Amino acid sequence: SQQGEEDPQALSIQEGENATMNCSYKTSINNLQWYRQNSGRGLVHLILIRSNEREKHSGRLRVTLDTSKKSSSLLITASRAADTASYFCATDPNTGANSKLTFGKGITLSVRP
Amino acid sequence: KAGVTQTPRYLIKTRGQQVTLSCSPISGHRSVSWYQQTPGQGLQFLFEYFSETQRNKGNFPGRFSGRQFSNSRSEMNVSTLELGDSALYLCASSPAGGRNGELFFGEGSRLTVL
Repeated sequence: SQQGEEDPQALSIQEGENATMNCSYKTSINNLQWYRQNSGRGLVHLILIRSNEREKHSGRLRVTLDTSKKSSSLLITASRAADTASYFCATDPNTGANSKLTFGKGITLSVRP
Repeated sequence: KAGVTQTPRYLIKTRGQQVTLSCSPISGHRSVSWYQQTPGQGLQFLFEYFSETQRNKGNFPGRFSGRQFSNSRSEMNVSTLELGDSALYLCASSPAGGRNGELFFGEGSRLTVL
């Protein structure tokens, strides 16, 4: 079963607007990562935030992490048509097990020109 | 550096057949993970190999198997194919596994079972 649950499932915005996507998870984590996938392609890593971090920026991306609420948000500012893709959060559960990133079902973002 | 290479990109099989998918990781990466992606189930973890050893395994039947070679290249095999095995199979590599950082994904192998 998925560890991360993204919200909303789909998002449609106008170019230039900001897009906010949320992810909730169930167990404690070492880190949380966001990935992007263009239709039918592989996933591309966007950003990683560790459990002891609260906020991180990378270009137009801003990620927050609230471990008390077990949630994260990804903000894309000044969106572009090229940002149209599916976005996934992935969690590395703090179970002591070896590498096993668990992905949510993803958010489909459409940016209208 | 070349990225993660998966072959073949597309293939069509019939029920009961078997299939082998190949993955060449980024040079220097020792960890290779495999995921199955379907519209209904999303991304499901299959297994992870590190230095030729299976280090972790997801909840898939024994028909799904894999291996890793000394050059870190990996293959996965699905025997006795079922219609429900139709999916995009994604391979990802990393220096030491997702626990310590990002995964680098290939473009996937899209399997259609008829």
